[in-house]
Amino acid sequence: GQQLNQSPQSMFIQEGEDVSMNCTSSSIFNTWLWYKQDPGEGPVLLIALYKAGELTSNGRLTAQFGITRKDSFLNISASIPSDVGIYFCAGRGTGNQFYFGTGTSLTVIP
Amino acid sequence: GAGVSQTPSNKVTEKGKYVELRCDPISGHTALYWYRQSLGQGPEFLIYFQGTGAADDSGLPNDRFFAVRPEGSVSTLKIQRTERGDSAVYLCASSLLPGAATEAFFGQGTRLTVV
Repeated sequence: GQQLNQSPQSMFIQEGEDVSMNCTSSSIFNTWLWYKQDPGEGPVLLIALYKAGELTSNGRLTAQFGITRKDSFLNISASIPSDVGIYFCAGRGTGNQFYFGTGTSLTVIP
Repeated sequence: GAGVSQTPSNKVTEKGKYVELRCDPISGHTALYWYRQSLGQGPEFLIYFQGTGAADDSGLPNDRFFAVRPEGSVSTLKIQRTERGDSAVYLCASSLLPGAATEAFFGQGTRLTVV
C-alpha cells in the first residue's frame, strides 16, 4: 500500500519549544488529516484539511494543506510534556481510503 | 456507542488457526475502514466498506483475509490459516460519510500475536 513520507522521523525538544513536521506524497490528495497516537491506543484525530492552501488551527496546533496538494505540515507551539507521542499524517485522494505517513515520534524534555 | 469499539483488545493464536476481529463503529457512521499497523509503521489500508458492501478491498494482502459488514454496522475481519507475519495491531475506523469533508475516527485496535 501507499505510504506518505514524513519528516523528521523523530524529534527531541525542550518543553516550551515549537515543533514543525511535514508530510509529502507523490500523489495529489483532496484531504489531509493529522493524527496523534499514544502507545497502545488508536490514532486520535487532531486536524482535518479539505482545501489546497487551507491553514487550520486547533489550540496550539496549526496545520496547512500545501498548494500543490502533495504536502502538508503540522506545527505545535509551546510544547508541553503531554505532546509526547507519534504523529501521523494521512491523505485521501479520489478514492475513499486514507494513506498514512511513516510517523514522527516526538519526545518533550521537561 | 460514543466511539469506535474493537474486540478483543488482544488476541494470541497459534500459527494456522482462524481468527475473527470485531469492530463496532460509531452509531450512524456509514463508512468503515480496516487498517493494519506493524511496529514502528503507520497504519496500512486493508479494506473500506460503504454500508454493507466492500467498496475497496485492494489492501487485503491475500485471500486468507476477508471482512464482512452484513448489516452495515458491525464489521468482522477474518483471517484464515494465520501466519506469524500476520502479527500486528489491527485498527478499525469509521466516518459519517465517505468522500470529501469527512473525518475518520479510530478504535483502540486489536493486537494480534501469532505464535
